[in-house]
Amino acid sequence: KAGVTQTPRYLIKTRGQQVTLSCSPISGHRSVSWYQQTPGQGLQFLFEYFSETQRNKGNFPGRFSGRQFSNSRSEMNVSTLELGDSALYLCASSVDRNNEKLFFGSGTQLSVL
Amino acid sequence: GQNIDQPTEMTATEGAIVQINCTYQTSGFNGLFWYQQHAGEAPTFLSYNVLDGLEEKGRFSSFLSRSKGYSYLLLKELQMKDSASYLCAVARGGAGSYQLTFGKGTKLSVIP
Repeated sequence: KAGVTQTPRYLIKTRGQQVTLSCSPISGHRSVSWYQQTPGQGLQFLFEYFSETQRNKGNFPGRFSGRQFSNSRSEMNVSTLELGDSALYLCASSVDRNNEKLFFGSGTQLSVL
Repeated sequence: GQNIDQPTEMTATEGAIVQINCTYQTSGFNGLFWYQQHAGEAPTFLSYNVLDGLEEKGRFSSFLSRSKGYSYLLLKELQMKDSASYLCAVARGGAGSYQLTFGKGTKLSVIP
C-alpha cells in the first residue's frame, strides 16, 4: 500500500510569489491535514479536509488556503509569499476514526528568497 | 488554547535508558501521541495513550497521567538509530472535529 505522497519535494520561490503544494493520501483515507514545520515553532496545524470540506483550521493568515478533491487528494496554496513562510510543509492522512494515528508524507521543503 | 512543553534537546549513551517528558494544558483532552521524526524524514507513529498508565511496546513505553497533564516516553536499550526528534502531540475533539496539536519536539542524540 503506497504511503502519503507529497510533491514537489523541494521548492524555491521569491517573495510575493504564490505556490501550490500537492498531497495524495493513502488509498482509502478521507481525511487530510496540513502542518507547517519550522525549527523555532515545531509542527503547527494549518487545516484539515474531509470529503472536500475544510473541517478544522489553525491560526494562519488567509494567504494560506487549501482544497480537497473528490479522490481525497489535497492541495494547499500560499499566496504573496513572505520570507517567514520558509518551512517544511507536511501533509498527513487518516481514515477518520476517533483517536486514530496520522500517516505523514515526507513533506515539501519551501524556501522563500 | 493548548500549551505543550517538552525539553528541546537530550543526549544519552548507547545501551542506556532515557525518559522524555511532556507536559500539557488543554481542554477537551482526547489522547496523547508520541511520534518519532528522523532528520529530513516524515514523523512516524510510536504510541498512543488515552487512559492513565503505562503502555509498553518493545523497547519503547509511554506513560500518561491525565490529572497531572503529564506524559513521558521511555526508550530502553538505546541504539544509535534512535537519534531523532520525538514529538508529543495532544488530541482533542472527536471524529469530525478532531485536532492534533504538537509540541516543538525533543531532539535526542545517542552517543557511543
